[in-house]
Amino acid sequence: AQKVTQAQTEISVVEKEDVTLDCVYETRDTTYYLFWYKQPPSGELVFLIRRNSFDEQNEISGRYSWNFQKSTSSFNFTITASQVVDSAVYFCALSEAYGGATNKLIFGTGTLLAVQP
Amino acid sequence: DAGITQSPRHKVTETGTPVTLRCHQTENHRYMYWYRQDPGHGLRLIHYSYGVKDTDKGEVSDGYSVSRSKTEDFLLTLESATSSQTSVYFCAISESSWGLAGAGQYFGPGTRLTVL
Repeated sequence: AQKVTQAQTEISVVEKEDVTLDCVYETRDTTYYLFWYKQPPSGELVFLIRRNSFDEQNEISGRYSWNFQKSTSSFNFTITASQVVDSAVYFCALSEAYGGATNKLIFGTGTLLAVQP
Repeated sequence: DAGITQSPRHKVTETGTPVTLRCHQTENHRYMYWYRQDPGHGLRLIHYSYGVKDTDKGEVSDGYSVSRSKTEDFLLTLESATSSQTSVYFCAISESSWGLAGAGQYFGPGTRLTVL
């Protein structure tokens, strides 16, 4: 069965520190997709990134970077030089290709990141 | 902005009363989803729809029903609300017309429901 584990429940850092949020997934599919969402204190869910299982290249977007490693079933998210505005709950999610065209997402339990000034 | 609104945004109700939450989208997306968010569980899929009158169950569908009579509206009904259904409910749409895996999902602002 598919599963997403975010073992870090809460992380607290001081502004300008780098921080990595861990995501480990389980799936029997060879084709799947991984996502990260951000939920700031205002409550909305913001789509950050999507990665498919055939593309293991790391991705960088400004201060954000993602490290996808199939060998360890991990899709970790690093924020460089964190800022107070990065304070949020971050969710990792998995979508499998097998099972038809439904695009159901399986979410991890989220990591609360608090960036202190 | 995926043009998704949810109503009401907040609701307090009593155990045993029926409750209907509405999700409205303006961009003609075919696939729509209802999730609930609870501490320690992340988001879990309740029901989804792949077209008008076409719906199916998700992971936590017990106690919930849905209806979709128009493309733009997806309703979630709690026939007889219980305290365990106190949660934040999110509606989402798939950017893919075919519901393809890997398509991004975009979420509405959420509805906070409290069942006393």
